Amino acid sequence: RKEVEQDPGPFNVPEGATVAFNCTYSNSASQSFFWYRQDCRKEPKLLMSVYSSGNEDGRFTAQLNRASQYISLLIRDSKLSDSATYLCVVNSLRAAGNKLTFGGGTRVLVKP
Amino acid sequence: DGGITQSPKYLFRKEGQNVTLSCEQNLNHDAMYWYRQDPGQGLRLIYYSQIVNDFQKGDIAEGYSVSREKKESFPLTVTSAQKNPTAFYLCASKVQGAKDEQFFGPGTRLTVL
Repeated sequence: RKEVEQDPGPFNVPEGATVAFNCTYSNSASQSFFWYRQDCRKEPKLLMSVYSSGNEDGRFTAQLNRASQYISLLIRDSKLSDSATYLCVVNSLRAAGNKLTFGGGTRVLVKP
Repeated sequence: DGGITQSPKYLFRKEGQNVTLSCEQNLNHDAMYWYRQDPGQGLRLIYYSQIVNDFQKGDIAEGYSVSREKKESFPLTVTSAQKNPTAFYLCASKVQGAKDEQFFGPGTRLTVL
């Protein structure tokens, strides 16, 4: 089983609709969580950190469920510019220090 | 402007040649990382360094080497021992601490001819 797993998609989303997807992680000692956005042939960029209580940034809402070991990302009122791959990132403490593990990404395509 | 730079953006190499990818940061970050990304895949960790003059192997270190002689610089050498080197290489850095995110350079796209 992979340490961090995501549905690769693509999620085809009508413009203006809501889309949500999850990311599961296997290490129960994971400490921090992030969602990154990656456009085609570009570097990943931080979209938002995920806090224990859940957090919202404009149209984006991230949630953490430690009991079931997953995080989620919800995008409301989808825009064409939201089309991208969304990477889930989990930070775990190891003997050699913190280690970030990336999921394979979920591709979202917003269509007119 | 603070940030991470990688050069070159595109690199072509003949089979059997070693090649070095540059990564420089002026963010005063202690930790630096090299990842490889293949088409449609996530990022896989090659090497990382928490402090100057120290580095550790990641999940796919075979065929690669690094050095960390300066805090700002973390070059990656792709050796001829790497069987399938064609990929998108990303360098990242971060402040030490569990909750701090990584910042990425623009990447180097390596193609072996």
